[in-house]
Amino acid sequence: DIVMTQSPDSLAVSLGERATINCKSSQSVLYSSNNKYYLAWFQQKPGQPPKLLIYWASTRESGVPDRFSGGGSGTDFTLTISSLQAEDVAVYYCQQYLSVPYTFGQGTKLEIK
Amino acid sequence: EVQLVESGGGLVQPGGSLRLSCAASGVNINKNDVQWVRQAPGKGLEWVSLIFDSGSTHYADSVKGRFIISRDNSKNTLYLEINSLSSEDTAVYYCATRPVTNSRVWGQGTLVTVSS
Repeated sequence: DIVMTQSPDSLAVSLGERATINCKSSQSVLYSSNNKYYLAWFQQKPGQPPKLLIYWASTRESGVPDRFSGGGSGTDFTLTISSLQAEDVAVYYCQQYLSVPYTFGQGTKLEIK
Repeated sequence: EVQLVESGGGLVQPGGSLRLSCAASGVNINKNDVQWVRQAPGKGLEWVSLIFDSGSTHYADSVKGRFIISRDNSKNTLYLEINSLSSEDTAVYYCATRPVTNSRVWGQGTLVTVSS
Protein backbone atom coordinates (compact mmCIF):
# COMPACT_ATOMS: atom_id res chain seq x y z
CA ASP A 1 0.00 0.00 0.00
CA ILE A 2 1.12 3.57 -0.64
CA VAL A 3 1.47 5.45 2.62
CA MET A 4 0.68 9.16 2.52
CA THR A 5 2.29 11.28 5.23
CA GLN A 6 1.33 14.89 5.76
CA SER A 7 3.24 17.53 7.64
CA PRO A 8 2.70 19.32 9.85
CA ASP A 9 -0.23 17.78 11.75
CA SER A 10 -1.38 21.28 12.64
CA LEU A 11 -0.49 24.75 11.49
CA ALA A 12 -1.31 28.26 12.71
CA VAL A 13 -0.86 31.10 10.24
CA SER A 14 -1.72 34.79 10.43
CA LEU A 15 -4.42 36.20 8.18
CA GLY A 16 -2.96 37.25 4.86
CA GLU A 17 0.13 35.11 5.29
CA ARG A 18 1.15 32.03 3.31
CA ALA A 19 0.28 28.53 4.49
CA THR A 20 2.05 25.47 3.15
CA ILE A 21 1.06 21.87 3.78
CA ASN A 22 3.24 18.96 2.72
CA CYS A 23 2.31 15.47 1.59
CA LYS A 24 4.81 12.70 0.98
CA SER A 25 3.98 9.41 -0.70
CA SER A 26 5.91 6.22 0.08
CA GLN A 27 5.94 5.35 -3.64
CA SER A 28 5.56 7.32 -6.80
CA VAL A 29 2.01 8.29 -7.74
CA LEU A 30 3.04 9.17 -11.27
CA TYR A 31 1.34 7.22 -14.05
CA SER A 32 3.92 7.10 -16.77
CA SER A 33 1.43 6.50 -19.59
CA ASN A 34 -0.07 9.99 -19.25
CA ASN A 35 2.64 11.64 -17.12
CA LYS A 36 0.09 12.67 -14.50
CA TYR A 37 0.43 12.58 -10.73
CA TYR A 38 -2.62 10.90 -9.21
CA LEU A 39 -2.71 13.16 -6.18
CA ALA A 40 -5.63 15.19 -4.86
CA TRP A 41 -6.09 17.72 -2.08
CA PHE A 42 -9.28 18.15 -0.06
CA GLN A 43 -10.56 20.74 2.41
CA GLN A 44 -12.95 19.68 5.15
CA LYS A 45 -14.78 22.01 7.49
CA PRO A 46 -16.63 20.76 10.58
CA GLY A 47 -19.86 18.98 9.78
CA GLN A 48 -19.23 19.11 6.03
CA PRO A 49 -18.04 16.54 3.50
CA PRO A 50 -14.57 16.90 2.02
CA LYS A 51 -14.32 19.40 -0.80
CA LEU A 52 -12.01 18.70 -3.72
CA LEU A 53 -9.54 21.56 -4.18
CA ILE A 54 -6.78 20.15 -6.40
CA TYR A 55 -6.44 17.06 -8.62
CA TRP A 56 -3.63 15.79 -10.84
CA ALA A 57 -1.44 17.33 -8.07
CA SER A 58 -1.73 20.85 -9.48
CA THR A 59 -5.06 21.33 -11.29
CA ARG A 60 -7.40 23.58 -9.38
CA GLU A 61 -11.02 22.48 -9.26
CA SER A 62 -13.55 24.83 -10.79
CA GLY A 63 -14.70 27.48 -8.35
CA VAL A 64 -11.74 27.10 -6.01
CA PRO A 65 -10.08 30.46 -5.28
CA ASP A 66 -6.75 30.97 -7.00
CA ARG A 67 -5.00 31.51 -3.67
CA PHE A 68 -5.00 27.71 -3.47
CA SER A 69 -2.30 25.98 -5.49
CA GLY A 70 -0.84 22.51 -5.63
CA GLY A 71 2.66 21.55 -6.60
CA GLY A 72 5.40 19.02 -6.25
CA SER A 73 6.86 16.07 -8.07
CA GLY A 74 8.31 12.67 -7.39
CA THR A 75 6.96 11.72 -4.00
CA ASP A 76 6.74 15.19 -2.43
CA PHE A 77 3.76 17.45 -2.89
CA THR A 78 2.54 20.72 -1.43
CA LEU A 79 -0.69 22.61 -1.00
CA THR A 80 -0.14 26.33 -0.70
CA ILE A 81 -2.59 29.01 0.35
CA SER A 82 -0.97 32.24 -0.77
CA SER A 83 -2.89 34.61 1.51
CA LEU A 84 -4.82 32.97 4.32
CA GLN A 85 -8.44 33.99 4.77
CA ALA A 86 -10.62 33.30 7.79
CA GLU A 87 -12.79 30.90 5.79
CA ASP A 88 -9.76 28.70 5.07
CA VAL A 89 -9.75 27.33 8.60
CA ALA A 90 -10.26 23.62 8.04
CA VAL A 91 -8.58 20.24 7.96
CA TYR A 92 -6.76 19.45 4.73
CA TYR A 93 -6.12 15.98 3.33
CA CYS A 94 -4.13 14.60 0.44
CA GLN A 95 -5.14 11.37 -1.32
CA GLN A 96 -3.41 9.24 -3.90
CA TYR A 97 -5.72 7.66 -6.43
CA LEU A 98 -3.20 5.76 -8.51
CA SER A 99 -3.08 2.43 -6.74
CA VAL A 100 -5.73 0.76 -4.60
CA PRO A 101 -6.16 1.21 -1.72
CA TYR A 102 -6.49 4.93 -2.47
CA THR A 103 -4.89 6.11 0.74
CA PHE A 104 -5.27 9.46 2.48
CA GLY A 105 -2.84 11.45 4.52
CA GLN A 106 -3.68 11.82 8.21
CA GLY A 107 -4.83 15.41 7.78
CA THR A 108 -3.47 18.83 8.66
CA LYS A 109 -5.48 21.17 10.84
CA LEU A 110 -5.10 24.78 9.75
CA GLU A 111 -5.89 27.55 12.20
CA ILE A 112 -5.54 31.30 12.45
CA LYS A 113 -2.64 32.62 14.52
CA GLU B 1 -26.48 19.43 -11.46
CA VAL B 2 -23.96 16.72 -10.69
CA GLN B 3 -24.92 15.14 -7.39
CA LEU B 4 -24.43 12.06 -5.23
CA VAL B 5 -26.88 11.41 -2.39
CA GLU B 6 -26.19 8.74 0.20
CA SER B 7 -28.83 7.03 2.30
CA GLY B 8 -29.34 3.90 4.36
CA GLY B 9 -27.31 4.75 7.42
CA GLY B 10 -28.62 4.35 10.94
CA LEU B 11 -28.20 2.61 14.27
CA VAL B 12 -27.34 -1.08 14.05
CA GLN B 13 -26.33 -3.63 16.66
CA PRO B 14 -22.90 -5.26 16.64
CA GLY B 15 -22.87 -8.12 14.18
CA GLY B 16 -25.64 -6.56 12.16
CA SER B 17 -25.84 -5.44 8.55
CA LEU B 18 -26.92 -2.45 6.50
CA ARG B 19 -27.09 -1.55 2.84
CA LEU B 20 -25.97 1.96 1.98
CA SER B 21 -27.10 3.61 -1.24
CA CYS B 22 -25.57 6.38 -3.29
CA ALA B 23 -27.99 7.82 -5.85
CA ALA B 24 -26.32 9.69 -8.68
CA SER B 25 -27.70 12.47 -10.84
CA GLY B 26 -25.90 14.34 -13.58
CA VAL B 27 -23.23 11.64 -13.63
CA ASN B 28 -23.31 8.07 -14.93
CA ILE B 29 -21.91 5.78 -12.26
CA ASN B 30 -21.24 3.02 -14.80
CA LYS B 31 -18.95 5.39 -16.74
CA ASN B 32 -17.00 6.50 -13.69
CA ASP B 33 -14.86 4.93 -11.02
CA VAL B 34 -16.77 5.42 -7.75
CA GLN B 35 -15.43 4.95 -4.25
CA TRP B 36 -16.70 4.76 -0.69
CA VAL B 37 -14.78 6.67 1.96
CA ARG B 38 -15.60 6.74 5.66
CA GLN B 39 -14.77 8.95 8.60
CA ALA B 40 -15.05 7.81 12.18
CA PRO B 41 -16.08 10.49 14.70
CA GLY B 42 -13.21 12.92 15.19
CA LYS B 43 -10.91 10.95 12.91
CA GLY B 44 -9.47 11.27 9.43
CA LEU B 45 -10.65 9.96 6.09
CA GLU B 46 -10.37 6.24 5.38
CA TRP B 47 -10.74 4.76 1.90
CA VAL B 48 -13.12 1.79 1.98
CA SER B 49 -13.96 0.46 -1.47
CA LEU B 50 -14.04 1.19 -5.19
CA ILE B 51 -15.85 -0.03 -8.26
CA PHE B 52 -14.21 0.78 -11.57
CA ASP B 53 -16.26 1.67 -14.64
CA SER B 54 -15.32 -1.82 -15.85
CA GLY B 55 -17.10 -3.34 -12.84
CA SER B 56 -13.93 -4.48 -11.11
CA THR B 57 -14.13 -4.04 -7.33
CA HIS B 58 -11.56 -3.40 -4.61
CA TYR B 59 -11.66 -3.19 -0.82
CA ALA B 60 -9.59 -1.97 2.08
CA ASP B 61 -8.13 -4.83 4.14
CA SER B 62 -10.19 -3.64 7.13
CA VAL B 63 -13.47 -4.44 5.36
CA LYS B 64 -12.53 -7.20 2.92
CA GLY B 65 -14.88 -10.15 3.24
CA ARG B 66 -17.48 -8.08 5.12
CA PHE B 67 -18.40 -5.29 2.71
CA ILE B 68 -19.72 -5.63 -0.83
CA ILE B 69 -19.79 -2.80 -3.35
CA SER B 70 -22.18 -2.98 -6.27
CA ARG B 71 -24.17 -0.79 -8.62
CA ASP B 72 -27.48 -0.79 -10.43
CA ASN B 73 -26.96 0.92 -13.76
CA SER B 74 -30.71 1.15 -14.43
CA LYS B 75 -31.13 3.16 -11.23
CA ASN B 76 -27.79 4.96 -11.55
CA THR B 77 -27.17 3.97 -7.95
CA LEU B 78 -24.15 2.64 -6.09
CA TYR B 79 -24.49 0.38 -3.07
CA LEU B 80 -22.35 -0.73 -0.16
CA GLU B 81 -23.54 -3.75 1.77
CA ILE B 82 -21.87 -3.71 5.16
CA ASN B 83 -21.93 -6.87 7.29
CA SER B 84 -20.59 -8.23 10.59
CA LEU B 85 -20.47 -4.70 11.93
CA SER B 86 -18.46 -3.69 14.97
CA SER B 87 -18.04 -0.40 16.79
CA GLU B 88 -14.97 0.26 14.63
CA ASP B 89 -17.29 0.61 11.63
CA THR B 90 -19.11 3.57 13.21
CA ALA B 91 -18.52 6.42 10.79
CA VAL B 92 -19.96 8.76 8.22
CA TYR B 93 -19.83 6.97 4.87
CA TYR B 94 -19.29 9.07 1.75
CA CYS B 95 -19.50 8.06 -1.89
CA ALA B 96 -17.36 9.97 -4.35
CA THR B 97 -16.14 9.73 -7.91
CA ARG B 98 -12.47 9.12 -8.54
CA PRO B 99 -11.19 12.45 -9.95
CA VAL B 100 -10.04 11.07 -13.31
CA THR B 101 -12.96 12.35 -15.39
CA ASN B 102 -14.83 15.63 -15.58
CA SER B 103 -17.40 14.28 -13.10
CA ARG B 104 -15.76 15.03 -9.78
CA VAL B 105 -18.24 14.94 -6.94
CA TRP B 106 -18.70 13.85 -3.32
CA GLY B 107 -21.93 13.12 -1.49
CA GLN B 108 -22.97 14.59 1.85
CA GLY B 109 -22.53 11.29 3.68
CA THR B 110 -24.66 8.92 5.72
CA LEU B 111 -23.98 8.07 9.36
CA VAL B 112 -23.65 4.47 10.49
CA THR B 113 -23.64 3.91 14.24
CA VAL B 114 -22.87 0.46 15.58
CA SER B 115 -24.02 0.10 19.18
CA SER B 116 -26.06 -2.17 21.40
